[in-house]
This record gives sequence, structure tokens and C-alpha cells, in this order.
Amino acid sequence: EAGVVQSPRYKIIEKKQPVAFWCNPISGHNTLYWYRQNLGQGPELLIRYENEEAVDDSQLPKDRFSAERLKGVDSTLKIQPAELGDSAVYLCASSFSGTGNTIYFGEGSWLTVV
Amino acid sequence: QQQVKQSPQSLIVQKGGISIINCAYENTAFDYFPWYQQFPGKGPALLIAIRPDVSEKKEGRFTISFNKSAKQFSLHIMDSQPGDSATYFCAALRGNTGKLIFGQGTTLQVKP
Repeated sequence: EAGVVQSPRYKIIEKKQPVAFWCNPISGHNTLYWYRQNLGQGPELLIRYENEEAVDDSQLPKDRFSAERLKGVDSTLKIQPAELGDSAVYLCASSFSGTGNTIYFGEGSWLTVV
Repeated sequence: QQQVKQSPQSLIVQKGGISIINCAYENTAFDYFPWYQQFPGKGPALLIAIRPDVSEKKEGRFTISFNKSAKQFSLHIMDSQPGDSATYFCAALRGNTGKLIFGQGTTLQVKP
């Protein structure tokens, strides 16, 4: 069974440019998360979806970040415009509410803003 | 405020030795404590997890010890191997919030 799939794996952009990341969760997983991991730190939650609904976006910087999960499967995280401080790894994760709290992460999208 | 504190920041162990990583938490509402292993360039991979109603959980060479009264838990890696060299994160979760609170991470190096 395929794990959480993310693309692109690596992205280098100039500041003020837009960028988008895509995530395909594990099949059947109704909960999808976007986490951000800064260098040398643990991941931090940005947003959580239950099916199509964003149930926790309290940590998402809404002035420049947006996310969507159409049809309750794939999700896209967008940053516009990007700032130097946005350089990080953006991790998508998923879980199935019927199996408790087990959260599985993708390999991440590594963003460098120059 | 750091809700999950992890130590040490880095650890060097000889092959065959025991690696021990410690974590302490503050929020007594946490009810799920996973450990993740992360290799360079990869995402975190779930290693083992425990709930506070048990004091120990073992899976192969990996054991979690949990002390609810002290609000501490630790990961023990027995017979450490060079392939175990990675960064390990403890985490804590409350209910179905989906908001994992991670520790700062421990970089483990196992020398051959």
C-alpha cells in the first residue's frame, strides 16, 4: 500500500514568488494534516482536515498561506508571496479516525526561499 | 512554551550498546505518546507508541518506558546498530486533536 505522497520533493524559489505543494494521503484516511518542520526542530501543525473540512487552522499564517482539500482526498498548500523565513520542510500526514491516533507522514516538500 | 522537552540533543553509542532518549511533558491531558524516527531527507516514520495506561511497551529492539506520575517517558534502543543512526523525536497528543507536540529531537549516531 502506498504511503503519503507529496510533490514536489524540492523547490527553490525567489522571495515574493508563489509556491504550491500537493499531497495525496494514504487511501481511506479521512484526516489530513500539514505540518511544517524548520531545520533542527520537530514538526509543527499548520492545518488539519477532517474529510473536506478544515477543523484546525489556528497555526496557519492566513495572510500568505492557504490550503484546500477538495473532495476530501488530495490537498494543496499554497504560499503567496513566499518569504525567506518560509524555508522549511512541509510535511503532509494522514490518519484514519477509526484506528485511533496513528499519524503517518510523507517524505516532505523541501522549500528554499532565496 | 515547550510542552515536550527531549534530551539529550545528540547521542553517540557504540554498536551493540543501549541508546536511551528521554522526554518530559507538561500537559496531563496528553494521552498518546509516539516516537518517530527520521533519516536525512525523509519524513518522520512512526517507530513505536504508548498510552498512559501502560508503563512499558516493547517492539523488537525498541522499548518505551512510561512514568505517568513523573510525566516522563523514554525510548530504549537495545543492541544499537549503525542503521539506527537517525534523528528521533518524541511526541505527545491529546485525544483526537491531531496536533502532535514534538520534542526538539535527538540525533543518534551508532559507531561501528
